[in-house]
Amino acid sequence: NFMLTQPHSVSESPGKTVTISCTRSSGSIASNYVQWYQQRPGSSPTIVIYEDKQRPSGVPDRISGSIDSSSNTASLTISRLKTEDEADYYCQSYDGSTSWVFGGGTKLTVL
Amino acid sequence: QVQLVESGGGVVQPGRSLRLSCSASRLTFNGFAMHWVRQAPGKGLQWVAVISYDGTKKFYADSVKGRFTISRDKSRNTQYLQMSSLRVEDTAVYFCARSAATDYMDVWGKGTTVTVSS
Repeated sequence: NFMLTQPHSVSESPGKTVTISCTRSSGSIASNYVQWYQQRPGSSPTIVIYEDKQRPSGVPDRISGSIDSSSNTASLTISRLKTEDEADYYCQSYDGSTSWVFGGGTKLTVL
Repeated sequence: QVQLVESGGGVVQPGRSLRLSCSASRLTFNGFAMHWVRQAPGKGLQWVAVISYDGTKKFYADSVKGRFTISRDKSRNTQYLQMSSLRVEDTAVYFCARSAATDYMDVWGKGTTVTVSS
């Protein structure tokens, strides 16, 4: 099975842009969709990006997703950062048959 | 507002069993696959198990295979996670989540806490 590797933490100032990476260890990042979940302290996760780059209704267009096959990496980009974006972010994908995989999570600090 | 509500968590000794339930409020998960995902204290999310929309297919993470059983009751709009031979490392908040068509989790419950300790 494959692993999804994320940076442990990132930080940026309000109003700036931050990108969180998610690298797949084996197999192509493009072979199965990547999702991103936001989890604020004490809350359950909520989906912010699905199918690599799609935003659920209610998620602002400051949040976007992409994949790069050359680096086998998915990315979550949040622009015009707000303090409310401070949370843990998890990428997730599926092996196509029997296993769902989460990345280790990235703590975003907006300072 | 749609909701999934987990219940059944608690404190249990190693080796014992526990059954978690997940019911839906103002939401149906009939017709959808359903997952269990857990989060150990201070740790990340870990997928545990999934059951297909009709209950015929069930898949498990290697760490729980042979010890946990996922099931669902269509008439009660409820899914279950029967956990046996519990270990200290099973201590976590357990979330149930609905699976959207392309295998992501679009609705999550608030979770129920399982503590395995002697």
